[in-house]
Amino acid sequence: GQQVMQIPQYQHVQEGEDFTTYCNSSTTLSNIQWYKQRPGGHPVFLIQLVKSGEVKKQKRLTFQFGEAKKNSSLHITATQTTDVGTYFCAGPGNAGNMLTFGGGTRLMVKP
Amino acid sequence: DSGVTQTPKHLITATGQRVTLRCSPRSGDLSVYWYQQSLDQGLQFLIQYYNGEERAKGNILERFSAQQFPDLHSELNLSSLELGDSALYFCASSATGTSAEQYFGPGTRLTVT
Repeated sequence: GQQVMQIPQYQHVQEGEDFTTYCNSSTTLSNIQWYKQRPGGHPVFLIQLVKSGEVKKQKRLTFQFGEAKKNSSLHITATQTTDVGTYFCAGPGNAGNMLTFGGGTRLMVKP
Repeated sequence: DSGVTQTPKHLITATGQRVTLRCSPRSGDLSVYWYQQSLDQGLQFLIQYYNGEERAKGNILERFSAQQFPDLHSELNLSSLELGDSALYFCASSATGTSAEQYFGPGTRLTVT
């Protein structure tokens, strides 16, 4: 079945450093979504990318969808302590009705 | 606040018991999804309902079942509980039955002792 993998699993950064998490799918995706889960919280939808090569920005966050629509990345510029959490990517599953989530990248920021 | 509600917030029960988790989707959302998240793990998709009908199934154990009622709320039933079933159970909803963005509830933390 479809697999969605994320690397790294964990990342410690100093506040102010940049951070990137990568997402790879075993199959071509019609879209990719990103979610953030704060410690003790629930996943919150961040963004959806649909087009090949698409780049979207939300303040310090930059999301990219690969040309082949099999990979994606999330880059955070100048991390802040408020960025702490686990970032998940998710793509449509085989049935097309549900999402397959990556394992997540847990970001820890040292002040 | 996502608009998705889940009850109870916490549940502590013994092995072999049966529990029911309840979820109310956002107003107007027809699709409900259930996920299991074990400690520091990812989100494991269990099952999806759309407008009362089962739409997709993930790695849901036979001891687990779910349903969506006419008012669109959903219940996840977990029976013959084992220690390994201890986890956070999230419900999410979306407007359609396709892979649209999902809105997650606060979760139910189940502890099996």
